[in-house]
Parts: sequence; structure tokens; C-alpha cells
Amino acid sequence: GQQLNQSPQSMFIQEGEDVSMNCTSSSIFNTWLWYKQDPGEGPVLLIALYKAGELTSNGRLTAQFGITRKDSFLNISASIPSDVGIYFCAGQGGGSGNTGKLIFGQGTTLQVKP
Amino acid sequence: DSGVTQTPKHLITATGQRVTLRCSPRSGDLSVYWYQQSLDQGLQFLIQYYNGEERAKGNILERFSAQQFPDLHSELNLSSLELGDSALYFCASSVSANTEAFFGQGTRLTVV
Repeated sequence: GQQLNQSPQSMFIQEGEDVSMNCTSSSIFNTWLWYKQDPGEGPVLLIALYKAGELTSNGRLTAQFGITRKDSFLNISASIPSDVGIYFCAGQGGGSGNTGKLIFGQGTTLQVKP
Repeated sequence: DSGVTQTPKHLITATGQRVTLRCSPRSGDLSVYWYQQSLDQGLQFLIQYYNGEERAKGNILERFSAQQFPDLHSELNLSSLELGDSALYFCASSVSANTEAFFGQGTRLTVV
């Protein structure tokens, strides 16, 4: 199935460190979204981006919608143990059609050492 | 709590059997989506319904079918189950046909 290129695949960091992950695509999207998934749970929406170049924050999280509409990044500042989980980027609309269908990245597994 | 309710949470069944997964969307959401999450394929879009009508289709197998009822809840039917169908199945909902989606907690299907 279709997937976005998300990197890194996994990260193991010290509590208090900043984290950065990104997603790229060969096709454009109208919306980029970032989700977090805890074990045994469904993905939880963290941030949604709607315009190319848009920079949006949600607490310690900051995400940007790339100018080309083919990429996005997510930064987490001052990580804490509860940031542990799998982070997914997802693209919607644009080249994937004018529906709500989401194309997901492979996920970034984040582990935080206290 | 996203407001999207999925039942059952876990399901164990034998190969060749048929199962039905159920989803109640968030109050006010007209669109429902089904996704499959497996270790090797990640999160894959299966199908979308909007206000009772099929809106978009992904790589959904012919053995799988879905529908959205007048009260907007949705069911995903999986038949002639194979071992490879074992996965997490998520339902998501959104207000309109192309806005951000909120996910349920999923149904873990194990085919033995």
C-alpha cells in the first residue's frame, strides 16, 4: 500500500532533549496531520496543518507544512517520559484525491530515558 | 477519549469464518473511515463512507465489505478469514468528507 517516507524510524533520547522527525512524499497534499499512538490504543491527533508554509504549535509540539506541500516535520521540545510512543505523519487530499483518505508514514518510535 | 466507539475490542476466530466489526462515530460526524494496521503494512486505508454513501475505496479485499447505516454507525464485514487478516482494525470519523479524522481504540482481530 501507499506510504509516506517518515524518518527516523526510531529514536532513543534522554529526558529533556528536543526531538525532530519528518515526512516526505512524492505527491502533494492539501493537509498534513501528525498522530501519536500508544500501545493498544488508536492514533490520537496532535496537530493538523492546512496551508503550505504553515507553522503550528500545540504545547511543546511544533509542526510545519512544507512549502512544496510534499513534506512536513514535527518537533517536540523538552521531552518527558509520557512522550513515549509511535508518531505518525499523514497526508490528506491533493494527489491522493479530494476525500478524507489518509496516507500514513511508517511511524517513528520514540523512547525517552528518564 | 476521541468519541469514536469500536466494538468488540478483541476478537479471536478461526480461518474461514466471518466477523463483523462495529463503529459509532463522534456525535455530529458524517464521515466514517476504516483502516487496517499490521506490522508489515503499517496503517492502510480500506474504505470511507460519507452520510451513508461510499466515498473512497482503498486496497480493500473483495472478501471485505462495509456499510454506513442511517444512524451513521458503520460495520466492517470480513469473510473467509485467513491468517494474514490478523491485524488491528481502526475506525475513524470526521465532520465532513475531507477534514481531520479522529480514531477509535480499534479492534484487534486474531485469526487462528
